[in-house]
Amino acid sequence: EIVMTQSPATLSVSPGERATLSCRASQSVSSNLAWYQQKPGQAPRLLIYGASTRATGIPARFSGSGSGTEFTLTISSLQSEDFAVYYCQQYNNWYTFGQGTKLEIK
Amino acid sequence: EVQLVQSGAEVKKPGESLRISCKGSGYSFTSYWITWVRQMPGKGLEWIGRIDPSDSYTNYSPSFHGHVTISTDKSSGTAYLQWSSLEASDTAMYYCARHYPWDLVLVYWGQGTLVTVSP
Repeated sequence: EIVMTQSPATLSVSPGERATLSCRASQSVSSNLAWYQQKPGQAPRLLIYGASTRATGIPARFSGSGSGTEFTLTISSLQSEDFAVYYCQQYNNWYTFGQGTKLEIK
Repeated sequence: EVQLVQSGAEVKKPGESLRISCKGSGYSFTSYWITWVRQMPGKGLEWIGRIDPSDSYTNYSPSFHGHVTISTDKSSGTAYLQWSSLEASDTAMYYCARHYPWDLVLVYWGQGTLVTVSP
């Protein structure tokens, strides 16, 4: 089973600033890496797939990068609605999720 | 419009059986795998397994294999997740999801079904 490790567990950032979230895979997942956003009481929402492709309707301030085992989600200028929990997921070999990064207001 | 609509919240006792559902609409149901995901209270997302509705072929996470069963009814466009004997540790939100036509990433999600197992 591929293990996905996200860091940090919690990230405190002020609105308007940049946030950088990391995700590491225990073995290569190529570019089969997705990022999801989840707000309380809601289902996860797909943000990024193929490591760097924004899903339909996702604002340009969200960007993803990486391949193999190291991946990054960057939110360039945080808006109030961006404070949530973010999960990475590999889908190269079935599916595995990271444990999540909580993005909170500083 | 693609939609996945899940059945309502359930409250059960340990040892009871349960089947929850996920009805797909707005697309050809047999053309896309349905995936089930668990989220325990205050915790992260866990992949349970998936099913190909065209032939009912299933894959399960080792963590869930033998404890749950995934099935479908092609005629009604519905996928199911069932337990024969619930445990308190099955208390969680359960989501069904579907992938893109061109990629296996999970893009469409149901609203979730909350299962509570308590004596």
